[in-house]
Amino acid sequence: AQSVAQPEDQVNVAEGNPLTVKCTYSVSGNPYLFWYVQYPNRGLQFLLKYITGDNLVKGSYGFEAEFNKSQTSFHLKKPSALVSDSALYFCAVRDRRGNTPLVFGKGTRLSVIA
Amino acid sequence: KAGVTQTPRYLIKTRGQQVTLSCSPISGHRSVSWYQQTPGQGLQFLFEYFSETQRNKGNFPGRFSGRQFSNSRSEMNVSTLELGDSALYLCASSFEGTGAGNEQFFGPGTRLTVL
Repeated sequence: AQSVAQPEDQVNVAEGNPLTVKCTYSVSGNPYLFWYVQYPNRGLQFLLKYITGDNLVKGSYGFEAEFNKSQTSFHLKKPSALVSDSALYFCAVRDRRGNTPLVFGKGTRLSVIA
Repeated sequence: KAGVTQTPRYLIKTRGQQVTLSCSPISGHRSVSWYQQTPGQGLQFLFEYFSETQRNKGNFPGRFSGRQFSNSRSEMNVSTLELGDSALYLCASSFEGTGAGNEQFFGPGTRLTVL
């Protein structure tokens, strides 16, 4: 079975500082990995994904994530946080094999303080 | 291109009633997935439809059902509502589904409150 863990319910960071939102995954095969962001009273918005190739993936709004197969991690990063980045972030995984659905982590609430 | 739309945005029902939620995917997208979002359980997968066929189903009771029409629009139905069904129901569409590594595009959700 596939699963995703986001070990931090809440991450606080000062504006202008780098931010990291952690994600680890478990799949039996090779993964597709995604990050989404949710603003209040909105649906999820796609940020970036890892399919294959370069382990460093760049996405929307200056976010990037690094796929680390040995550590089964896909942490989301941004060099300089903005107050407007404050939102709920979800990591998701899907096994490339079979017909399993996308599985989401429980989410990490990011709060960027001015 | 218009995004994913969901109707209604808000619903209030009482226990025992049934409800139907609607989702219109992005034009050209053939895959529609439904999720239930609650503070305690996070995002839980309900089902995925592709070209009018249910391709995947999550671990929800049979009270939860769905369908997809030939124009890719989808509906989900919950019968005999329970208090625990109160949640934000999200619909997401993608061109061929996440099996091909495609990202999903989410609608704003329907907030269902069961009293």
